[in-house]
Amino acid sequence: RKEVEQDPGPFNVPEGATVAFNCTYSNSASQSFFWYRQDCRKEPKLLMSVYSSGNEDGRFTAQLNRASQYISLLIRDSKLSDSATYLCGSSASKIIFGSGTRLSIRP
Amino acid sequence: EPEVTQTPSHQVTQMGQEVILRCVPISNHLYFYWYRQILGQKVEFLVSFYNNEISEKSEIFDDQFSVERPDGSNFTLKIRSTKLEDSAMYFCASSETGDYTDTQYFGPGTRLTVL
Repeated sequence: RKEVEQDPGPFNVPEGATVAFNCTYSNSASQSFFWYRQDCRKEPKLLMSVYSSGNEDGRFTAQLNRASQYISLLIRDSKLSDSATYLCGSSASKIIFGSGTRLSIRP
Repeated sequence: EPEVTQTPSHQVTQMGQEVILRCVPISNHLYFYWYRQILGQKVEFLVSFYNNEISEKSEIFDDQFSVERPDGSNFTLKIRSTKLEDSAMYFCASSETGDYTDTQYFGPGTRLTVL
C-alpha cells in the first residue's frame, strides 16, 4: 500500500464550483499533514498545514481524520487561477507526497 | 519574502558525468532537504541535512549521491556518475526548525537531463 494516496483526477469543474479532494495515508506515526499546490513544471508551494482536526483559510478548508487516516481539501467558489495539481503530504520528519490531484477550472 | 534559490535552472549532461546542483536555503533555516520529481511522477524525498550531517536518507539516495554544505550559504547535491534514470526535477527545500509541524519551503528546482 502506498504511504500517501490521492485520486489523480483530473477534476474538471466550472468556475464558482466547490470541489473536494481526499487523501489517505498509511503511516499512523505521521504527525502533520500538508496540502501543497504545484503548477506545471514549478515547485510545490504550501497551501495549508493540518495538525489537528482542521484548518480554514479563505476559500480553502482542510480536514484531518486520524481515525480513518485521511485528509481532505475543500475549495469553495473556485477560480480559474486554482487550476493546478494539488499534492497531499504527510510528515513525521520528511514529507511523503501523494502523486497529486489535477484540477482544471473552466470558465 | 525570503526564498530558496537553486542553480542552474536546467542542467544537461552526458551519462556517466558528475553533476553538482546548488541551492541557497533561506538564511535563518537550519534544516535542508533534497527531493526529486521524475516527469509525470510524484515528488520523492531524497535526503535531509542538519548540523553538517545527513539526518535521513531514502533508498534512492545511494552511493552515487552526496550532499554538502561547503560554506555558510550553499547546500549542494552531487551525483557522481549520472544515469539516464537520474533525469528529473530536483528540488531543494529548507525549514527553520525541522519540527514535524514546520513548513518546508521549496526552491524553483533544477531540471536535470541526462543524455
